[in-house]
Amino acid sequence: QKEVEQDPGPLSVPEGAIVSLNCTYSNSAFQYFMWYRQYSRKGPELLMYTYSSGNKEDGRFTAQVDKSSKYISLFIRDSQPSDSATYLCAMRVGSNYQLIWGAGTKLIIKP
Amino acid sequence: DAGVIQSPRHEVTEMGQEVTLRCKPISGHNSLFWYRQTMMRGLELLIYFNNNVPIDDSGMPEDRFSAKMPNASFSTLKIQPSEPRDSAVYFCASSLIGSNQPQHFGDGTRLSIL
Repeated sequence: QKEVEQDPGPLSVPEGAIVSLNCTYSNSAFQYFMWYRQYSRKGPELLMYTYSSGNKEDGRFTAQVDKSSKYISLFIRDSQPSDSATYLCAMRVGSNYQLIWGAGTKLIIKP
Repeated sequence: DAGVIQSPRHEVTEMGQEVTLRCKPISGHNSLFWYRQTMMRGLELLIYFNNNVPIDDSGMPEDRFSAKMPNASFSTLKIQPSEPRDSAVYFCASSLIGSNQPQHFGDGTRLSIL
């Protein structure tokens, strides 16, 4: 079993829908949780960065961490075609530089 | 502000040739990472530098791979000799040192070994 599990998709939704992307993990020592967005033929771009449990909101994006369930989510409100990309979750133990990555979920927003 | 800059963006070469990938990290960043991304294995960390010093190269697949960071603004990843299974997208990322500092990625080098 992988340390971080993420459904590769693709996930296809109509424009304007609320999107929910998720990752589960097995290491309870993870403290820092990140969501990266990767457009085709580009590098991963940091979208959201949270420490420990709770919610963090930035515009149309909300990141949620539930450490008791070992589950993190990224919600996208009012989804746009420009949100079509691969979304990767990443996490790490506090004192460790090494990120553990999910496989990435390919998201398609249909106009 | 300039982000992480990688060159070349694309490289196609024949098996057995030497390949050199280049990276310029974000100015002021003192940690640098080389990753490889494939469909099968996703993102894999190859090597990590702190203040130009290699800290962890356990992800380097074989002795054919080597990386250097001669100064704070430049790093290279070299493959010699190259093999078809080395075909992948290679990313460089940089960050400030610290457990709460995020990594910022370049746009990668798409490498094809024929």
